[in-house]
Formats: sequence, structure tokens, C-alpha cells
Amino acid sequence: SYILTQPPSVSEAPGKTATITCGGDNIGRKNVHWYQQRPGQAPVLVISDENDRPSGIPERFSGSKSGNTATLTITRVEAGDEADYYCQVWHSNTAHWVFGGGTKLTVL
Amino acid sequence: EVHLVESGGDLVHPGGSLRLSCAASGFNFENYAMHWVRQAPGKGLEWVAGISGGSVTSYYADAVKGRFTISRDKSENTLFLQLDSLRDEDTAFYYCVKGREIVLVVYAMDSWGQGTLVTVSS
Repeated sequence: SYILTQPPSVSEAPGKTATITCGGDNIGRKNVHWYQQRPGQAPVLVISDENDRPSGIPERFSGSKSGNTATLTITRVEAGDEADYYCQVWHSNTAHWVFGGGTKLTVL
Repeated sequence: EVHLVESGGDLVHPGGSLRLSCAASGFNFENYAMHWVRQAPGKGLEWVAGISGGSVTSYYADAVKGRFTISRDKSENTLFLQLDSLRDEDTAFYYCVKGREIVLVVYAMDSWGQGTLVTVSS
């Protein structure tokens, strides 16, 4: 099976830049998607296909990938960004969608 | 605006069955892949099953294969998930999710319902 590894938690002060990583075998060759889930709410797509932002998602959110790591970057972090973030890929070998374990972003 | 409304969640005994429904509106339902994603209380997201637009292809997570069946009705713009042989570990919120394209592979999931709770307990 294909495994995506995320740090359980990341903390950052308001106005700073938060980075959340997602590790997976050759993830740089896959389409990587990122979801935000605020407490008590359904997930929301924030980045698709590595670095495409859906309508309504601030430009502060961006994605990148290389080798075995994909990264979600949130610049000028705000209190409203506090949420769980999940990376996701399609693993063609098993015909499965795979989510990372999630990273809780705390805004200090 | 895309609207996805799940229903059918309930308390059920181990070994029992349930049928979840998802009423879709605000988009051309038949032209998009649809998925079910679940989340156990306090845990992460887990993809359960997906079905392409036109019901050409469907895939299942190993944990549910042979027990769950995904289907869709284009005349009613509704997605279904039949859950059989339920186990304690199937307890979760089940989200109905729209794919970005007609195929269920590769492309992101761009709209999520609010979820329906399935509790499996004796």
C-alpha cells in the first residue's frame, strides 16, 4: 500500500509562514491535493494538482513538490487558518485514493 | 452552487446493513465522479469508494471491498452507499464528495457534504 506521512502538528505565530510537509514514495511524480478541515466542519479543497487554488482560496496558500516530499505553504498565517490539513494522491498501482494522516496547524 | 446532502446514517448492530444517500444539486451530476470518504470520531480522513460519471468505473478501499457498494441514480441526482456486514470499525462520519472531473482517478475532490454519522455498536 502507498503511505503518505505528515507531521501531526505544526505551530506558527500570526503573520509568519507555516509549512506542512507530506512524504511519499516519488510523490513528486503524482498530482497532490490539499484539504483544510476546520473544527466541526467538512473538509475544503485548498490546493489541487500541486499548486492550483480553487475559487475563494487566498493566494497565501500555495503548494509545491519534489522527489519524495510535497509541501503546503501558508504565508501571513491568520487565526482563521487554524485547522487540520490533509494531503491526498491517487495511487494507480492499487487503484486507491490515499490521504495523509493530517497535520494540525496551531496559530500561536 | 454545489449542494451535497447526506442522509441515512444511524445506529446499527454489528453485522447489520445501512443505505446512505446523497442528494446532489447545483451541477450536472452525471458528468462528475463521486466519492464517499469517512472519518472516525477524532481521526483522519479515509477514502471509502468512488464511482465515475456515467457509472463506468467504481473502486473501493480494501477495508470495505466486498461489503460496501457505491451506486448513483442520474434521474434523481443521487449517490448511494450500501453498507453490509457492518463492523465496529466502520463507525464514522461518511462524507459525500464531488470529483473535479468525470473520471474518478487523479483529479481532486472539490465539494464535500456535511456528513452523516454511522455508529456500529451492540
